[in-house]
Amino acid sequence: KAGVTQTPRYLIKTRGQQVTLSCSPISGHRSVSWYQQTPGQGLQFLFEYFSETQRNKGNFPGRFSGRQFSNSRSEMNVSTLELGDSALYLCASSWSGNEQFFGPGTRLTVL
Amino acid sequence: GENVEQHPSTLSVQEGDSAVIKCTYSDSASNYFPWYKQELGKGPQLIIDIRSNVGEKKDQRIAVTLNKTAKHFSLHITETQPEDSAVYFCAASPSYQKVTFGIGTKLQVIP
Repeated sequence: KAGVTQTPRYLIKTRGQQVTLSCSPISGHRSVSWYQQTPGQGLQFLFEYFSETQRNKGNFPGRFSGRQFSNSRSEMNVSTLELGDSALYLCASSWSGNEQFFGPGTRLTVL
Repeated sequence: GENVEQHPSTLSVQEGDSAVIKCTYSDSASNYFPWYKQELGKGPQLIIDIRSNVGEKKDQRIAVTLNKTAKHFSLHITETQPEDSAVYFCAASPSYQKVTFGIGTKLQVIP
């Protein structure tokens, strides 16, 4: 069974730009969660989608948004990038319960 | 919301010794406690989890204990090996997909 895939793996952007990250969950998984990982803050929950609906949301500004498609693939978007947005963005998929399987992440660098 | 504290932040042990990582949580509604291992350049990988109706769970060299009264849970790794070197995260979840992570423990196993 293929694992969670994330594209791109690495991304370099400049302040003010916007970025879209993609996540393909494990086949059959309907829930996709997004996390931001930084050395100082650890893993912080961004949001979770289930059957194309946002079910949970963390404490991030509105510049961070996401969506989920009918095939469970998910995208997250960050607009008006700031230097502090530099991080590893992780996607995790789950069938419906708590057990989450993480992808390798997208390393975003904002210059 | 949930708050998870994790200790220690770094841990060095000799190969063959045991390693213990401890976490506390704040939300008494939390009922799912996973542990993840993250190796360099990879996403976190679920290694063991425990639910609130169980006090202890073991899987080969790894065991997790849970004390709901004290809101403590711990990870025990016995007979450590160099390949156990990684960052370990504890987490707590009161509801589907809303998972709060600890800050992480960097474990180094010295050959």
